[in-house]
Amino acid sequence: AQSVTQLGSHVSVSEGALVLLRCNYSSSVPPYLFWYVQYPNQGLQLLLKYTSAATLVKGINGFEAEFKKSETSFHLTKPSAHMSDAAEYFCAVSENSGGYQKVTFGTGTKLQVIP
Amino acid sequence: GAGVSQSPSNKVTEKGKDVELRCDPISGHTALYWYRQSLGQGLEFLIYFQGNSAPDKSGLPSDRFSAERTGGSVSTLTIQRTQQEDSAVYLCASSPLSGTRNEKLFFGSGTQLSVL
Repeated sequence: AQSVTQLGSHVSVSEGALVLLRCNYSSSVPPYLFWYVQYPNQGLQLLLKYTSAATLVKGINGFEAEFKKSETSFHLTKPSAHMSDAAEYFCAVSENSGGYQKVTFGTGTKLQVIP
Repeated sequence: GAGVSQSPSNKVTEKGKDVELRCDPISGHTALYWYRQSLGQGLEFLIYFQGNSAPDKSGLPSDRFSAERTGGSVSTLTIQRTQQEDSAVYLCASSPLSGTRNEKLFFGSGTQLSVL
């Protein structure tokens, strides 16, 4: 079974600083990887996804993630944090399980942006 | 509606009572998932429905949990004899079934269940 590990349940950055949220995956086949974001009192929404077309994936709101096979990583970055980026971020991996797409999520990282 | 709808948004119940949580997926989405979100636990997969196929119940934590999906649309998650450890946010998601592994999941806002 595939899995993802998110390092750091809480991350704090200053407004304007680099955002780096870490995700490592475990997979026996080429993985399909996702980042989702959950704003306060809202459902999860897709930020970006990796499907092997390109190792650097750009998402919404200025976020991007780079797939590094040698490091089994898919870290999420943003050059300059905004107050509106404060949310919980989830890394996820998708596998084919009995003919359907089974999506497994990490434990999440809460991002705090300090003014 | 345009998105995944879940009801109620909040449910407070007493230990030992049964509860039903409802999910209305996006029209035309054949895949429906239930997840449980507990503090510090991330999203825990509970059950998956795919069209008219038998559901994948491998994530249900105990036989007190069950779910059904009527007519390939609305789904109900039932928890019998609720326990305090059942307190969590229950999330429903749907997606179109394309046979690929890269489909985006569309999530509802969840039901916050509190068992006193």
